[in-house]
Amino acid sequence: QVQLVQSGAEVRKPGASVKVSCKASGYTFTSYAIHWVRQAPGQRLEWMGWINAGNGNTKYSQKFQGRVTFTRDTSASTANMELSSLRSEDTAVYYCAKWDGVQLWPWGQGTLVTVSS
Amino acid sequence: EIVMTQSPATLSVSPGERVTLSCRASQSISSNLAWYQQKPGQAPRLLIYGASTRATGIPARFSGSGSGTEFTLTISSLQSEDFAVYYCHQYNNWTFGQGTKVEIK
Repeated sequence: QVQLVQSGAEVRKPGASVKVSCKASGYTFTSYAIHWVRQAPGQRLEWMGWINAGNGNTKYSQKFQGRVTFTRDTSASTANMELSSLRSEDTAVYYCAKWDGVQLWPWGQGTLVTVSS
Repeated sequence: EIVMTQSPATLSVSPGERVTLSCRASQSISSNLAWYQQKPGQAPRLLIYGASTRATGIPARFSGSGSGTEFTLTISSLQSEDFAVYYCHQYNNWTFGQGTKVEIK
């Protein structure tokens, strides 16, 4: 079945970077985009951007522009999200999700990133 | 940025009741709207896309309607497993509502 499996929880100090991976299975990875969404504790979902898994093109939310980088490894069917210059407000669960043009589904299980000194 | 506003923030209901959740967009988004259900510690689950199309495997008690700026998610008869937070999401330029929590009365 179509599935996205994310890497495990991370703890970082302020100012550091973090990389979260999202491994896809059950479909042709390069035929769809992967979106990244985060959710801070008790907050609404927040869209970060997407990567075209086929050609590597990216679009970032203005809020994260300059601080976030999406990459993909087609040989491993894996998308990655790297966020730099971390601050406490970046503590959140980060999700990846497959976009087929009308549905953002499925979602990965989420990766908790904790930023604390 | 298109702002999505959901109402009410919290809804206290009994099992078996009919539930209506609202979502308003700050400008027209045509039918580019989805609804998600999220339970504690879980990823969001897609319920509705294109404002009114049920996603695969979603029970018929869930229905969506609306277009432009006003949207509704209806649960015809609330089941115990439906107590959760519901988010609307517009994919014109990608923003989410703040959520409506459906809790047991």
